[in-house]
Amino acid sequence: DTGVSQNPRHKITKRGQNVTFRCDPISEHNRLYWYRQTLGQGPEFLTYFQNEAQLEKSRLLSDRFSAERPKGSFSTLEIQRTEQGDSAMYLCASSSSFTGVGSPLHFGNGTRLTVT
Amino acid sequence: EDQVTQSPEALRLQEGESSSLNCSYTVSGLRGLFWYRQDPGKGPEFLFTLYSAGEEKEKERLKATLTKKESFLHITAPKPEDSATYLCAVQAGTGNQFYFGTGTSLTVIP
Repeated sequence: DTGVSQNPRHKITKRGQNVTFRCDPISEHNRLYWYRQTLGQGPEFLTYFQNEAQLEKSRLLSDRFSAERPKGSFSTLEIQRTEQGDSAMYLCASSSSFTGVGSPLHFGNGTRLTVT
Repeated sequence: EDQVTQSPEALRLQEGESSSLNCSYTVSGLRGLFWYRQDPGKGPEFLFTLYSAGEEKEKERLKATLTKKESFLHITAPKPEDSATYLCAVQAGTGNQFYFGTGTSLTVIP
């Protein structure tokens, strides 16, 4: 168990550029979540996959955001035409649906995005 | 709408001074309440899951308790290395989202 891995750790981009982040979950976990966190706030839900299916997506999520999880393994989160308001820590987490109700999330260390 | 509220926002303690952090929630069909610790620049680290009122969990100087409306994270004789932000989250209803509070920033002064 190597934990949840996220790349890159930091990304600086100019407004209007596209960015893509990658998340590798814990191998036995079939659920994968993306969250966004800004300074002084708790993580805010973006989207969630079970295996390769995207099952839930935040109503607040702009159309500029898209996530994929091909083959139910790693996931990517893409932000198109970035805006300064997209600057945040993007967190990935995984969990298992096989360990019963209330299986906790296990987080990676996030990708810090700065849009200039 | 489901809500999770944590208090206080920030807490400064002297080393050895015990205290409690609060997480109150208004959700339907609680499936689990989770406590996490988050250090600066890192992702949240899982601490505890509580499932039903009356349940308690302990780990070193931390003890989490749950009632029907709130959870407490008790910190006994804290040390400087306990300084971090403590986050509370709930999972409720039929969905699989986790709803997080805004956290309590704990500073333990030597």
